[in-house]
Amino acid sequence: NAGVTQTPKFRILKIGQSMTLQCTQDMNHNYMYWYRQDPGMGLKLIYYSVGAGITDKGEVPNGYNVSRSTTEDFPLRLELAAPSQTSVYFCASSYRTEAFFGQGTRLTVV
Amino acid sequence: KQEVTQIPAALSVPEGENLVLNCSFTDSAIYNLQWFRQDPGKGLTSLLLIQSSQREQTSGRLNASLDKSSGRSTLYIAASQPGDSATYLCAVMTDSNYQLIWGAGTKLIIKP
Repeated sequence: NAGVTQTPKFRILKIGQSMTLQCTQDMNHNYMYWYRQDPGMGLKLIYYSVGAGITDKGEVPNGYNVSRSTTEDFPLRLELAAPSQTSVYFCASSYRTEAFFGQGTRLTVV
Repeated sequence: KQEVTQIPAALSVPEGENLVLNCSFTDSAIYNLQWFRQDPGKGLTSLLLIQSSQREQTSGRLNASLDKSSGRSTLYIAASQPGDSATYLCAVMTDSNYQLIWGAGTKLIIKP
């Protein structure tokens, strides 16, 4: 069982570069989420999706974009990377109840 | 707006002790509450999930309780072991849009 798969696990970006964090789930979950976790803090919701073709902003969406063309995939796009986006990013999926998480992507912007 | 608070932020206890971690939330309109474990540099492992209609859940040495009316949950760890050292996070799922709202976590250290 793959569950939720995130790639890459680590990435260093230069200021102004762009990248896409990939997230795939094989549990046929409608709900998918992107969170960021800063050191010593809880997770903050960036974007979420309640199904294919539907996305909505969370608590900290600025500087990010998402799309949900299929039930399985929920990529997160950073267009112009800034040092403030240095964080650990987690993707998750759920069907209203228990949430399942990917292993995280550690992103450093320098 | 739902807010989740975890106290204490850090806890260090000798091996073998029973301990309680606390989680409080401001809005009782929740769908469920989950406790997670996070090891340094790793992802999140779900420990226990309590539905809003439940009072407690147990898994091995772990017991989680939920009191919606007072906005509190506790995670009880019996006979703690060094392998229990990790950060423990609680998260509340809202019943309006099924988002998870997170506490900042309790960093637990079990001394051998």
